Amino acid sequence: NAGVTQTPKFQVLKTGQSMTLQCAQDMNHEYMSWYRQDPGMGLRLIHYSVGAGITDQGEVPNGYNVSRSTTEDFPLRLLSAAPSQTSVYFCASNRREETQYFGPGTRLLVL
Amino acid sequence: SQQGEEDPQALSIQEGENATMNCSYKTSINNLQWYRQNSGRGLVHLILIRSNEREKHSGRLRVTLDTSKKSSSLLITASRAADTASYFCCLTQGGSEKLVFGKGTKLTVNP
Repeated sequence: NAGVTQTPKFQVLKTGQSMTLQCAQDMNHEYMSWYRQDPGMGLRLIHYSVGAGITDQGEVPNGYNVSRSTTEDFPLRLLSAAPSQTSVYFCASNRREETQYFGPGTRLLVL
Repeated sequence: SQQGEEDPQALSIQEGENATMNCSYKTSINNLQWYRQNSGRGLVHLILIRSNEREKHSGRLRVTLDTSKKSSSLLITASRAADTASYFCCLTQGGSEKLVFGKGTKLTVNP
């Protein structure tokens, strides 16, 4: 199993550009989540999903959209990037109330 | 939403010593998990302890949970330089599917 994969590993955007961060898991987990981590901080939940077709907002959802059309994939979209979205983004998946498995992260720099 | 708060924020010890980190929270939880993050890397799951459990072990790791005091501790025995990392506690709160992370304890183990 590949576990949780994320692409790209690193991305530079200009303010106002859009992009999609990809996340996929091959463990048939119902739950998937997106977090951002800023320097010296813990992880803050952006959006999460408890199954295909179901998404909900986390702590810091503004500026981000998600969809969950399949169990395996959970892309995160930035519609109009802002410097405040410079961060490291982690995707995770888990079964209900079980261990979360994290991807390796995507480093995003918005100029 | 409330998060776990780790204490201390930073801890520096010598190789071979034990390291203890604490996590306090404010409301009821379903379970509590501890994760490790090496600098610039993804998170690695260490231990999950459920609200009806009091203690769990995994190798050199020991986690305790005191629901009456709303606190948990992570003990790393006989620490090694490779244990240098940030350690986070993560909660699932009663009635919610969201996982909430604290800001972490930065552990430095000096050789």
